Amino acid sequence: NAGVTQTPKFQVLKTGQSMTLQCAQDMNHEYMSWYRQDPGMGLRLIHYSVGAGITDQGEVPNGYNVSRSTTEDFPLRLLSAAPSQTSVYFCASRTTGGVLDTEAFFGQGTRLTVV
Amino acid sequence: GENVEQHPSTLSVQEGDSAVIKCTYSDSASNYFPWYKQELGKGPQLIIDIRSNVGEKKDQRIAVTLNKTAKHFSLHITETQPEDSAVYFCAASLTGTASKLTFGTGTRLQVTL
Repeated sequence: NAGVTQTPKFQVLKTGQSMTLQCAQDMNHEYMSWYRQDPGMGLRLIHYSVGAGITDQGEVPNGYNVSRSTTEDFPLRLLSAAPSQTSVYFCASRTTGGVLDTEAFFGQGTRLTVV
Repeated sequence: GENVEQHPSTLSVQEGDSAVIKCTYSDSASNYFPWYKQELGKGPQLIIDIRSNVGEKKDQRIAVTLNKTAKHFSLHITETQPEDSAVYFCAASLTGTASKLTFGTGTRLQVTL
């Protein structure tokens, strides 16, 4: 199993450019989420999805869009990149079977720099 | 929403010593508390978790304690080794389909020889 795969690993954008960060998981997990990691601020939730066709906002959603057309894929779109979006982005997935939370599996991250 | 505070932000211990990282949370309804380890250039990986119906959980050299009354939980690593050097994150959430993990700000642990 590949687990959670993120592409690309590194990306440099100019201010105003758009791009999509890809995330795919092969564990048939219902729940997928995107976090950004900034120094001294831990991991902050951007958007999440509890299943295909269902998405919701997290703590810091502004400037980002998501969609969930399949169970496996959960892309994150930056419509007009800003320097404040320079960060490391992590995608995570987990199963939500029953009432118990389960381990979240993270991808390797995408390091994004906006100049 | 939930707020998780984590201390210390950096911790340096000698090999063989113990390390303790502490977290507090604000939402008394939170009932799931995982700990993640992040090595350089990698994504976080779960090392241990605890649910609110348990006060302590151990896994070899790693243990987590939970005090629901005080709303704090701690990670204990005994007999530290150089490979324990990493950034550690605590988190809290309500269990359920749409629950969201709220992370602490991380602790950089350095184990020196």
